[in-house]
Amino acid sequence: KQEVTQIPAALSVPEGENLVLNCSFTDSAIYNLQWFRQDPGKGLTSLLLIQSSQREQTSGRLNASLDKSSGRSTLYIAASQPGDSATYLCAVIFQGAQKLVFGQGTRLTINP
Amino acid sequence: NAGVMQNPRHLVRRRGQEARLRCSPMKGHSHVYWYRQLPEEGLKFMVYLQKENIIDESGMPKERFSAEFPKEGPSILRIQQVVRGDSAAYFCASSPWTSQGGGYTFGSGTRLTVV
Repeated sequence: KQEVTQIPAALSVPEGENLVLNCSFTDSAIYNLQWFRQDPGKGLTSLLLIQSSQREQTSGRLNASLDKSSGRSTLYIAASQPGDSATYLCAVIFQGAQKLVFGQGTRLTINP
Repeated sequence: NAGVMQNPRHLVRRRGQEARLRCSPMKGHSHVYWYRQLPEEGLKFMVYLQKENIIDESGMPKERFSAEFPKEGPSILRIQQVVRGDSAAYFCASSPWTSQGGGYTFGSGTRLTVV
C-alpha cells in the first residue's frame, strides 16, 4: 500500500532555532513530492515541489531534500519565527497513480 | 489570476439534506481533484476529474456522494442525505496538465457542518 508518514505529529521549539520535519513514503517509485503549509481553518499553501529527478529545493529559509532510495524527505526551516507556526503536510504522487497522497502532518509551534 | 475558488466557505446542513460544493479551477487548469479532511486527520483523496470525465473515483464513498466537472462551469461535489459523519473540510485542487508534473493549487476549502 502506498502511504506517507510524518514524524513527529507535533513539535514545539523556541524562536530562532533551526528545525527539521520528517516525511517517509513506502514506495520509492514516485513522480514528485510536495510540502504544504496549512494554517488553522485555512487552505493549503504550496511551499516546495521536488521532482523525482531532484535531490533538493530551496525557498528562502526553507530547504527540502529528497532521498528516493530510502523513501525519505526532510523539510529544514532555518531561524524559525512565530509566524512559521502551522501544520506542515508532505504529499507524494506515486508512479502509477494520478493523485497526491498526504501524510498526517506535523503541527509546528514556534514560541516567542 | 484568482486561484482556485471554492464556495461556499462554510455550509451548514441538517441531517438528510443535500450539500453542493462548488470549485472553479485556476484559469487554464483542466484537472480537478477533491479531498476531504476530517477533524484532526490528514487529507484523503476522493475523486479526480477532467472536463466531462471522472478519471479516478477510488476515494469516493459508494453511496450518497457524486462529483462532476461539466464542459462549462465549476466542478460540483454533491452529498445527498448528509449525516453527521460527513462534517469535514472539503478541499479542491487543480493542475494544468497531467498530475504527475505536480504543481497542484488548492482552494481555501468548504467547511461542512451537519447538525
